[in-house]
Amino acid sequence: SAVISQKPSRDICQRGTSLTIQCQVDSQVTMMFWYRQQPGQSLTLIATANQGSEATYESGFVIDKFPISRPNLTFSTLTVSNMSPEDSSIYLCSVENRLAGNNEQFFGPGTRLTVL
Amino acid sequence: QKEVEQNSGPLSVPEGAIASLNCTYSDRGSQSFFWYRQYSGKSPELIMSIYSNGDKEDGRFTAQLNKASQYVSLLIRDSQPSDSATYLCAVEPSSASKIIFGSGTRLSIRP
Repeated sequence: SAVISQKPSRDICQRGTSLTIQCQVDSQVTMMFWYRQQPGQSLTLIATANQGSEATYESGFVIDKFPISRPNLTFSTLTVSNMSPEDSSIYLCSVENRLAGNNEQFFGPGTRLTVL
Repeated sequence: QKEVEQNSGPLSVPEGAIASLNCTYSDRGSQSFFWYRQYSGKSPELIMSIYSNGDKEDGRFTAQLNKASQYVSLLIRDSQPSDSATYLCAVEPSSASKIIFGSGTRLSIRP
């Protein structure tokens, strides 16, 4: 499976600021996703990052709060904007390569965000 | 009804026994099903995928799928303390290229 890295691995931020999280894959993949996992909870899909077009957001998530970029088939960023303590969570990217003939998703190591 | 349902646990199983984890889903048209393992403080790790009715075995793990009853299960044979983790069931709905996760079952293997 692909090797996925995320930067930063963790950060502590002040409310009202923004943080951009990077996700890098070592091979081209067709699909990239961004999830949030709040303490003790399961994974919630934020959006699908589409290469060359606007991301597809899930209900409850909006572009102004979580802008996403995907300039190519190996890289994506998620920005958490105008942060509040409620945004404290683990943010995970995942990848899927349908060109390989399957729809299995693999996760990066995650970014642990704390907002004070 | 939640799209993917799991018992939250914790499920406590003695070492060496079989651990049985269950999951039900609401979308009858779903075709792809996954089990992930997540250790505390780590990201989810894919351990099994299953697409057809019946059993699929991989080492000590067996996934079972019954589309008519809309359930998928994971059996772990000869449970080890290292199997203690949260197990997440995930399903790809028929209408979208994404997966929906259940809330997870915490499994504890006691020596």
